[in-house]
Amino acid sequence: EVQLVESGGGLVQPGGSLKLSCAASGFTFSGSWMTWVRQAPGKGLEWVANVDQDGSGKYYVDSVKGRFTISRDNAKKSLFLQMNSLTADDTAVYYCAKDRATLDYWGQGTLVTVSS
Amino acid sequence: SYELTQPPSVSVSPGQTARITCSGDALPKKYAYWFRQKSGQAPVLVIYEDKKRPSGIPERFSGSSSGTMATLTISGAQVEDEADYYCYSKDSSGDHFVFGTGTKVTVL
Repeated sequence: EVQLVESGGGLVQPGGSLKLSCAASGFTFSGSWMTWVRQAPGKGLEWVANVDQDGSGKYYVDSVKGRFTISRDNAKKSLFLQMNSLTADDTAVYYCAKDRATLDYWGQGTLVTVSS
Repeated sequence: SYELTQPPSVSVSPGQTARITCSGDALPKKYAYWFRQKSGQAPVLVIYEDKKRPSGIPERFSGSSSGTMATLTISGAQVEDEADYYCYSKDSSGDHFVFGTGTKVTVL
């Protein structure tokens, strides 16, 4: 059974940093692109970033470029999102998802709240 | 930046057909994907590569694409189909993806 479990969310002050993790199981993690998607309270889904199978190809939505870094550890079957210089606009539930287009499996999400 | 435009809401009676459109300039050359999100839950894939249905998704869900518009059709909508629906596709510039604006489907 495919499982994706996010962690690392919480309350952070504006300008602060947070690192999200996504633990994967039930599929060949090293063979899959991985994606982060976020959803601000009461808003729609927003594609944030994705990373290719070996971590060499990384792509970001313009609004997080230069502030967020996606990475992965295939040995630990884990996906990460390092978020720096956070603003209130980054407040959202962050989901990790398998693949880059099909997004056939999602985690339950982790809430990030940026507030003083 | 690239946008995928959906109607904010669609309302149908049980048993009727609901059609949700997704408009984007790159759709003639890029696949559309559709996700259903019920309140408080993670999204679920319901259609991929324009018209393919994942296992476990009821046959009443179908997809099509023509020109700059993709369409998700729910034939014989049921009360349990009430949810927000999002299209998703790649922009024409490279490896960036975007979600549509979302459509709230009401079945009552």
